[in-house]
Amino acid sequence: EDQVTQSPEALRLQEGESSSLNCSYTVSGLRGLFWYRQDPGKGPEFLFTLYSAGEEKEKERLKATLTKKESFLHITAPKPEDSATYLCAFLTGSARQLTFGSGTQLTVLP
Amino acid sequence: NAGVTQTPKFRILKIGQSMTLQCTQDMNHNYMYWYRQDPGMGLKLIYYSVGAGITDKGEVPNGYNVSRSTTEDFPLRLELAAPSQTSVYFCASSSTSGVGNIQYFGAGTRLSVL
Repeated sequence: EDQVTQSPEALRLQEGESSSLNCSYTVSGLRGLFWYRQDPGKGPEFLFTLYSAGEEKEKERLKATLTKKESFLHITAPKPEDSATYLCAFLTGSARQLTFGSGTQLTVLP
Repeated sequence: NAGVTQTPKFRILKIGQSMTLQCTQDMNHNYMYWYRQDPGMGLKLIYYSVGAGITDKGEVPNGYNVSRSTTEDFPLRLELAAPSQTSVYFCASSSTSGVGNIQYFGAGTRLSVL
């Protein structure tokens, strides 16, 4: 069965303390791995799509990478405004449905 | 740019009541989706639509119904509300052209069934 697991469930960092979030997946024929950011009380906001192992994408302090079994979201020198829940998901189905992990709740302390 | 708009933002229902959650998008997207998100959990797909007049079940469709009469609107109907339907509901849409597969989400409807 296709599934995605995110770790850790929660992460507290000091401002400037770099770290990585993990997304492990088991999918027969990956068609896309997505990262979303979700702020409290809001809907998920798209960050990145990765399609093949070895691919990397960057946006400000965030960099997403993809291997054949995992994706990582690296956060470099985070700021308090990076605090949010980060969700990963993979694409499946003929209607391009997303299957989501349970997310990592990131808190960056000033 | 309104994007995906959901109404209402909050609602409290009594057990057995019915309601419709509204979703409309102004991006001319063919694909639309309804998800629910329980505390500490990821989003689970309820129903989806690939175009007007076409809908299909997702992972957790029981207790819900949808319709898609126009490209813009994709309402979700709850019949005989149950406490298990207490959740946050998100509507999303995506395009079949251009930078494909990116789903854009509304702000959500927070529903409590008491």
